[in-house]
Amino acid sequence: EAGVAQSPRYKIIEKRQSVAFWCNPISGHATLYWYQQILGQGPKLLIQFQNNGVVDDSQLPKDRFSAERLKGVDSTLKIQPAKLEDSAVYLCASSPARAFLNTEAFFGQGTRLTVV
Amino acid sequence: AQSVSQHNHHVILSEAASLELGCNYSYGGTVNLFWYVQYPGQHLQLLLKYFSGDPLVKGIKGFEAEFIKSKFSFNLRKPSVQWSDTAEYFCAVIYSGYALNFGKGTSLLVTP
Repeated sequence: EAGVAQSPRYKIIEKRQSVAFWCNPISGHATLYWYQQILGQGPKLLIQFQNNGVVDDSQLPKDRFSAERLKGVDSTLKIQPAKLEDSAVYLCASSPARAFLNTEAFFGQGTRLTVV
Repeated sequence: AQSVSQHNHHVILSEAASLELGCNYSYGGTVNLFWYVQYPGQHLQLLLKYFSGDPLVKGIKGFEAEFIKSKFSFNLRKPSVQWSDTAEYFCAVIYSGYALNFGKGTSLLVTP
């Protein structure tokens, strides 16, 4: 079974530039998550999709971050404009169940973003 | 707000030593509990999980964890660590209807 695919693996941009990350979840997984992992910290949820609808985006900095999951499959996360503090690994994860309980998430390898 | 606390941020052990990493959560309702591991340069992988039933759960690579509801804890244990266990360990909790909430992680270094 193929895992969660993310691209690019690494990205270096200057502050105030824009950047986009792409995620392809495991086939058939209804739930998709984007997490931000700053060095030395645990992953922090940015947004959660159930199919193509947003379930939770309470921790997404909406003035600069946006995400979409068209057709309920692939997803993109965008930052515009980027700030230095956005330097982090952006993780995508997916899980199979419609319900949030009694399920586990599978993670991609992440995109390491460096903002200079 | 619900939270997940990991008590040890950095742990250094010699090979064959026993390991116990603490994890506490702050929600009194139904929870699902997980330990994830992140080896250097690799993605997060599930070590073990607790949904219901026997509170002592066994995972991969000889790890186990015990859910103690009265203490809101889900500590990770391994009787004898190996150099290859060097990694970052994350406790995570799903509260009813929400996504995975992670602790800040514990960095484990096992020395030969």
